Amino acid sequence: GQQLNQSPQSMFIQEGEDVSMNCTSSSIFNTWLWYKQEPGEGPVLLIALYKAGELTSNGRLTAQFGITRKDSFLNISASIPSDVGIYFCAGQGIQGAQKLVFGQGTRLTINP
Amino acid sequence: GAGVSQSPSNKVTEKGKDVELRCDPISGHTALYWYRQSLGQGLEFLIYFQGNSAPDKSGLPSDRFSAERTGGSVSTLTIQRTQQEDSAVYLCASSLIDNQPQHFGDGTRLSIL
Repeated sequence: GQQLNQSPQSMFIQEGEDVSMNCTSSSIFNTWLWYKQEPGEGPVLLIALYKAGELTSNGRLTAQFGITRKDSFLNISASIPSDVGIYFCAGQGIQGAQKLVFGQGTRLTINP
Repeated sequence: GAGVSQSPSNKVTEKGKDVELRCDPISGHTALYWYRQSLGQGLEFLIYFQGNSAPDKSGLPSDRFSAERTGGSVSTLTIQRTQQEDSAVYLCASSLIDNQPQHFGDGTRLSIL
């Protein structure tokens, strides 16, 4: 099935560093979402973006909906150990459909 | 509970058997979705229910897969004559209405021997 191109696939950083990941698509989406998944659990919603160009923050997390509606990025500032997990981008609304189309995920590992 | 509830959390079965997976959405949520997540991969859409409308079945991989939603609440995903490639985590999500953010359960980990 269709997937978004998410990068990087994995990141190994030191505690306190900033993190940036992004997603691109060949198709336009009406909504972009970012989820975090930890082992044995379902994805948890972090940020939802509804307008092209929108920049939204949730604590140390900041995400933007690209102006072309074909991309989005997520930044995490001053990483802490509990940020470890897999981060997924998801797009919604392609051709009117409500299903989410997911990226392959970015696995974040933090060295204390 | 307050979140999406799925059962069982784990299911191990032999190839060729039928399995049923259950999803209880968040109370009051009208939209319900099923996704599949293979090891180390992103989520793949399977099927979507919205109110009394006909479900969007466009993601079901074969006619061995079916789902129903009774009374606009609980949903059951059924896989008939299971194959080893059906092994995955099956995740259910619900949203208040169809263009609102989807909230996920913790999934059912299905292993086909």
